[in-house]
Amino acid sequence: EDKVVQSPLSLVVHEGDTVTLNCSYEVTNFRSLLWYKQEKKAPTFLFMLTSSGIEKKSGRLSSILDKKELFSILNITATQTGDSAVYLCAVEAKETSGSRLTFGEGTQLTVNP
Amino acid sequence: DSGVTQTPKHLITATGQRVTLRCSPRSGDLSVYWYQQSLDQGLQFLIQYYNGEERAKGNILERFSAQQFPDLHSELNLSSLELGDSALYFCASGTSVPDTQYFGPGTRLTVL
Repeated sequence: EDKVVQSPLSLVVHEGDTVTLNCSYEVTNFRSLLWYKQEKKAPTFLFMLTSSGIEKKSGRLSSILDKKELFSILNITATQTGDSAVYLCAVEAKETSGSRLTFGEGTQLTVNP
Repeated sequence: DSGVTQTPKHLITATGQRVTLRCSPRSGDLSVYWYQQSLDQGLQFLIQYYNGEERAKGNILERFSAQQFPDLHSELNLSSLELGDSALYFCASGTSVPDTQYFGPGTRLTVL
């Protein structure tokens, strides 16, 4: 059975801090790892990682995948109150003719002013 | 706005009833995924369709079924509803393999 574990489950920081969110996984037929941000609505896509060691960046957010050690991290620098959300990690696995996503429990990030 | 639309936004019904949730994918997307998000179980993958064909199945109950129509919209049918089926149901769409999935706003189902 596929497994995605995120840590920490909850994190409270002050504006301006840098945070690192972790995601480890066990999945058969790995295809990609995705990060999503979920506020009080639908998840919004952040990054998709398929290759090991290649950092993806978007503004203050960045992410990297280690396929050998089966984990990924999401970094957020100079955090702002608008970064407060649940960050979801998901692993996509190949099926015979499609794919399935398994989500972790999420990390609840709270950024205080 | 992801470009994925879902109707209705909210649905309140009674146990034993049957409901249909509808999803229209982003223009050009051939894949549709259905997810259930409840407080105690997090986000769970239910089923994937690609260009009208079922491609992958997750933790979908036998009381639930889905289909994707020729115009690529999809419907999720939930029958013999139970209290535990109360949840937020998301549809997501994507194009190529591997997909980047874009989520719709969700349908909140409440079973009383």
